Amino acid sequence: NAGVMQNPRHLVRRRGQEARLRCSPMKGHSHVYWYRQLPEEGLKFMVYLQKENIIDESGMPKERFSAEFPKEGPSILRIQQVVRGDSAAYFCASAQGARAYEQYFGPGTRLTVT
Amino acid sequence: TQLLEQSPQFLSIQEGENLTVYCNSSSVFSSLQWYRQEPGEGPVLLVTVVTGGEVKKLKRLTFQFGDARKDSSLHITAAQPGDTGLYLCAGPPDRGSTLGRLYFGRGTQLTVWP
Repeated sequence: NAGVMQNPRHLVRRRGQEARLRCSPMKGHSHVYWYRQLPEEGLKFMVYLQKENIIDESGMPKERFSAEFPKEGPSILRIQQVVRGDSAAYFCASAQGARAYEQYFGPGTRLTVT
Repeated sequence: TQLLEQSPQFLSIQEGENLTVYCNSSSVFSSLQWYRQEPGEGPVLLVTVVTGGEVKKLKRLTFQFGDARKDSSLHITAAQPGDTGLYLCAGPPDRGSTLGRLYFGRGTQLTVWP
């Protein structure tokens, strides 16, 4: 059952370090979305990518955050110089082009910044 | 501001009871999705409703999309402890949103006691 895969499941970083979160979409899915979940805020959209293209990054902070979905390999969400406020659960979702609203989520990466 | 408001925020009931949770907006949505999320896991897609007035059934769960496509409800008949979880509604607004970008409600945390 090749669902959406994310790794690592848990990541601990000290302030100032870099965090790299990986996501492999479901087979046949060309759309990847990243969301962040904070306890009091719910799930918030960050960025939408297709292979080698960023379609919408309006939900992602302008500084320190970047995302890519290369031709080969997983999608990567990169957070540079992490701060305590970056601690959250980060979820990746994937979808087919024709039904982009039906998104299937991975298990998430829980980032803790100490 | 939340585009989708869910109520109630918390619901605690006994096994065998019926319940309804609501998802409301002042905006029109192209579709609405319902997800269930368990602690430490990603949201799992339950259903998608697309047409105003649409009703979908999934065993003991009944989902309805409002005629104006601004609201939705989830009704569970004879709840069981296995129904416990966070129920999330989500969807892409009809206008001004990137294809597939989902807006989420904050969820209803359901606990079913044996």
